[in-house]
Amino acid sequence: AQSVTQPDIHITVSEGASLELRCNYSYGATPYLFWYVQSPGQGLQLLLKYFSGDTLVQGIKGFEAEFKRSQSSFNLRKPSVHWSDAAEYFCAVVASGSARQLTFGSGTQLTVLP
Amino acid sequence: DGGITQSPKYLFRKEGQNVTLSCEQNLNHDAMYWYRQDPGQGLRLIYYSQIVNDFQKGDIAEGYSVSREKKESFPLTVTSAQKNPTAFYLCASSIERRTNYGYTFGSGTRLTVV
Repeated sequence: AQSVTQPDIHITVSEGASLELRCNYSYGATPYLFWYVQSPGQGLQLLLKYFSGDTLVQGIKGFEAEFKRSQSSFNLRKPSVHWSDAAEYFCAVVASGSARQLTFGSGTQLTVLP
Repeated sequence: DGGITQSPKYLFRKEGQNVTLSCEQNLNHDAMYWYRQDPGQGLRLIYYSQIVNDFQKGDIAEGYSVSREKKESFPLTVTSAQKNPTAFYLCASSIERRTNYGYTFGSGTRLTVV
């Protein structure tokens, strides 16, 4: 079965500091990988996605993520965090089979200190 | 603008009562999904539908029912058989044949048992 692990439940960073959110997946073939962001009481917004090709992908709001097959990871990064980045972040992988439902990690809550 | 509309934003249910959550999309997407979100557990798939008049159970379908009579609409009924329905419910859609676009999410419905 496919699975996604986000090891960090909660991360706190200072505004202007760099950020890295971890995501590890278990999947039998090359996965489709996604990062979503959720503000309180809202739906999820797609930040970026990886399917193939260049392993470093750029997304919206200055985020990027790097696919590392050898480590089964797809970590999300941002060089300088803004207070508005405080939210919950979800990593997701497309499950195998014709249904192609997304499997989500349990999320990482980001707090940004002034 | 195209998107997904979930209503109501807040819903209160009495013990033993069925309630229906609405999800409408005008994106012309083939597939639609219902997820349940609880703190610290990420998103769990309840039901999904890839085509009109067809739907499949997800990981936690017990106590829930759906219908897909129109491409645009995928309502979720939380029945009295669902013993712990208090949660945040998210509806999503995707162009099924082109999953590289990921999912588009609605803004959610928060259901509370009173």
